[in-house]
Amino acid sequence: QQQVKQSPQSLIVQKGGISIINCAYENTAFDYFPWYQQFPGKGPALLIAIRPDVSEKKEGRFTISFNKSAKQFSLHIMDSQPGDSATYFCAASKGYGNKLVFGAGTILRVKS
Amino acid sequence: EAGVVQSPRYKIIEKKQPVAFWCNPISGHNTLYWYLQNLGQGPELLIRYENEEAVDDSQLPKDRFSAERLKGVDSTLKIQPAELGDSAVYLCASSFWGQRGCLQEQFFGPGTRLTVL
Repeated sequence: QQQVKQSPQSLIVQKGGISIINCAYENTAFDYFPWYQQFPGKGPALLIAIRPDVSEKKEGRFTISFNKSAKQFSLHIMDSQPGDSATYFCAASKGYGNKLVFGAGTILRVKS
Repeated sequence: EAGVVQSPRYKIIEKKQPVAFWCNPISGHNTLYWYLQNLGQGPELLIRYENEEAVDDSQLPKDRFSAERLKGVDSTLKIQPAELGDSAVYLCASSFWGQRGCLQEQFFGPGTRLTVL
């Protein structure tokens, strides 16, 4: 049972453009929504995370938008750079350190 | 600060052979997780430890997989016997309880890539 659905599977963006990745969840008990970045040969690393009591969180060029009623959240990468080329995973959990349910991932390529 | 350490980084074995993976979490992290990541997929939790105790092992295929964390620090994940479908990356992560009694973010190791021939 796929509890977190992520799209698109892959994304190509020009340098300086905006990258947008979307996720939808099913379990309304989820209350922690992180995004992870993974480079080849490395483990996932936390990029940014949000709780459902806010609709948006921004850290530098990365922004999470959260829509609780629609059970959707998205990652926006502003001014995308070639160094942002990686696989991005959305995830959700009931509680901060509990079991993370991951989306299938989005392979982002930023063209210079 | 050293991150989560895993070894080996790569392992190639023939089917029906046993294999073991080792994880050393970040110092002071008493919560440890093993995740399975299939190619092109997100990680899936296999087991979670609080100190020595396995508090969530519902996704661990117990007929062939086993795990231990004897002293509440290092952990070993074993597969015996391995099957072709076990080829994947096995990730270890660790976390700790913050001052307000909440578990903090999970830090992942680089993983062990297993190939079963």
